Amino acid sequence: QVQLQESGPGLVKPSQTLSLTCTVSGGSISSGGYYWSWIRQHPGKGLEWIGYIYYSGSTYYNPSLKSRVTISVDTSKNQFSLKLSSVTAADTAVYYCARVVVGAIDYWGQGTLVTVSS
Amino acid sequence: AIQMTQSPSSLSASVGDRVTITCRASQGIRNDLGWYQQKPGKAPKLLIYAASSLQSGVPSRFSGSGSGTDFTLTISSLQPEDFATYYCLQDYNYPLTFGQGTKLEIK
Repeated sequence: QVQLQESGPGLVKPSQTLSLTCTVSGGSISSGGYYWSWIRQHPGKGLEWIGYIYYSGSTYYNPSLKSRVTISVDTSKNQFSLKLSSVTAADTAVYYCARVVVGAIDYWGQGTLVTVSS
Repeated sequence: AIQMTQSPSSLSASVGDRVTITCRASQGIRNDLGWYQQKPGKAPKLLIYAASSLQSGVPSRFSGSGSGTDFTLTISSLQPEDFATYYCLQDYNYPLTFGQGTKLEIK
């Protein structure tokens, strides 16, 4: 059973960089065919896909966030990470890491709330 | 990006009712659509993939249909645990995009 777990600061100051890590257990991040993704949900709102990384390191970012997003992978630790720069209050959200296969998002982390506030 | 429009945005129904939620894509997406259920404070859960394929472990009262631009999720007989918010997601191309959600409430 694959499990994903987000970790990182729950409070970030405006203009700083939000950093989160997702640890994958029960499966190898180096297994092909999976796109390791970040998704966020603003409080009381819908879902927004942020971007993905493949185990090889190739990435794709949502154009709406592309200028501020970096996703990286550490296959030795079975982890992937999100950095979102120059954050504002509009980046306050629950951030999920997830595994995307062709056709679906089949595994999700439990989510972590990140609040942007001074 | 492909826009996904769900309707209705909210719905009141009773246990035992048959319920249908629709999702429309701004362009054709073949059958590259999934349906997800989210309960408060929890991550979404995959119900249906490829428009009509039931995810393992999901009760058979859930079904999906459609292709191209118009899709439906049907719950044949609502159970108490089905009251939640439902989202469609297109995976035809990136960026992946979700519908705005349908909140299913108890009447």
